[in-house]
Amino acid sequence: NAGVTQTPKFQVLKTGQSMTLQCAQDMNHNSMYWYRQDPGMGLRLIYYSASEGTTDKGEVPNGYNVSRLNKREFSLRLESAAPSQTSVYFCASRVAGGQYEQFFGPGTRLTVL
Amino acid sequence: QKEVEQDPGPLSVPEGAIVSLNCTYSNSAFQYFMWYRQYSRKGPELLMYTYSSGNKEDGRFTAQVDKSSKYISLFIRDSQPSDSATYLCAMSGGSARQLTFGSGTQLTVLP
Repeated sequence: NAGVTQTPKFQVLKTGQSMTLQCAQDMNHNSMYWYRQDPGMGLRLIYYSASEGTTDKGEVPNGYNVSRLNKREFSLRLESAAPSQTSVYFCASRVAGGQYEQFFGPGTRLTVL
Repeated sequence: QKEVEQDPGPLSVPEGAIVSLNCTYSNSAFQYFMWYRQYSRKGPELLMYTYSSGNKEDGRFTAQVDKSSKYISLFIRDSQPSDSATYLCAMSGGSARQLTFGSGTQLTVLP
């Protein structure tokens, strides 16, 4: 099993450009999450999908959109990138029910110039 | 004020030392407490998981939760250079199973 995979690993954008970060999991997990990690701020939840067909905002959703394409895939879109969105983005998944453990992908390092 | 506070360090200790990492929190609804370990340029991975107050031991690692003080700790005995990483506390109590993370403590164990 590959676990949680993310593409791309690195990306440089100019202000105003758009891009989509891809995430896929092969563990048959129901819930998926997108976080951003900034120095001194820890991991902050952007959006999550409790199950296929549902998405909800997290702590810092402004400037982002998400799509739960199917049970395996959860994408994060930046419509008009801003320098404040320079960060490391992590996708995570969780099985369901009472299990709280989230499994994380390797991350995408995004720089917005 | 953040819901979860964690000393960012950095913390540097000699090999073999006992390491104590701590988090405080303000939300009384938190019931599930976790410690994640994150190596440089990698995703976090779950290290320890506890429910409610008490201690849990796993090899060289002990997680401690004191709900009355809203304080959790992770102890590492006989620390090794391979323990060098950032340690993130995380906690949850809501039905949506969302996790709230501390900012992480960067630990270096010197050989």
